[in-house]
Amino acid sequence: GAVVSQHPSWVICKSGTSVKIECRSLDFQATTMFWYRQFPKQSLMLMATSNEGSKATYEQGVEKDKFLINHASLTLSTLTVTSAHPEDSSFYICSVVGSTDTQYFGPGTRLTVL
Amino acid sequence: KNQVEQSPQSLIILEGKNCTLQCNYTVSPFSNLRWYKQDTGRGPVSLTIMTFSENTKSNGRYTATLDADTKQSSLHITASQLSDSASYICVVRLGSNYQLIWGAGTKLIIKP
Repeated sequence: GAVVSQHPSWVICKSGTSVKIECRSLDFQATTMFWYRQFPKQSLMLMATSNEGSKATYEQGVEKDKFLINHASLTLSTLTVTSAHPEDSSFYICSVVGSTDTQYFGPGTRLTVL
Repeated sequence: KNQVEQSPQSLIILEGKNCTLQCNYTVSPFSNLRWYKQDTGRGPVSLTIMTFSENTKSNGRYTATLDADTKQSSLHITASQLSDSASYICVVRLGSNYQLIWGAGTKLIIKP
């Protein structure tokens, strides 16, 4: 199966700063990657679909200007949380879809905004 | 409305015991149903994927069942181990696109 990594695994930042999270597909070329957010004791919520070489598709209620997604290559997608606020504190997870429709998830990035 | 409901919300069992987790869904059109295991602070890991025509699928000590008529699925864990402590999430994929409908998960705790 595909191996997906994320960096950093955790980050603490001050309110108003921007944070970039990287998602890499280590052994699989992914034209599409997904970004999820998970709040404590809740299930994953899809934020956006990242498409290589084109604009990301955002889910309803997700601000595209706040959560900037760049999918510059077949193995790398980045999510930038701009002007982060405490309510953006969450667990951010990316995923790719393998050839057998299996979805492979990264280990997640814990963001804490002070 | 497309929904996936799981029960129980949480479950505590002793190591070595078996358990069954439930998933009911109202999703249309249906493509497939997945069970994921998510350890605390980690991304989900796929356990099984079942299509409409599959009734049972096993992955080691994990056995998933699917009843497409009643729109119910179960995940049975045999001879539980401490490492089975995690959240187990039932997810249904829509047949029309890649949209996934996520259940809230069952938090399973295995005690020694």
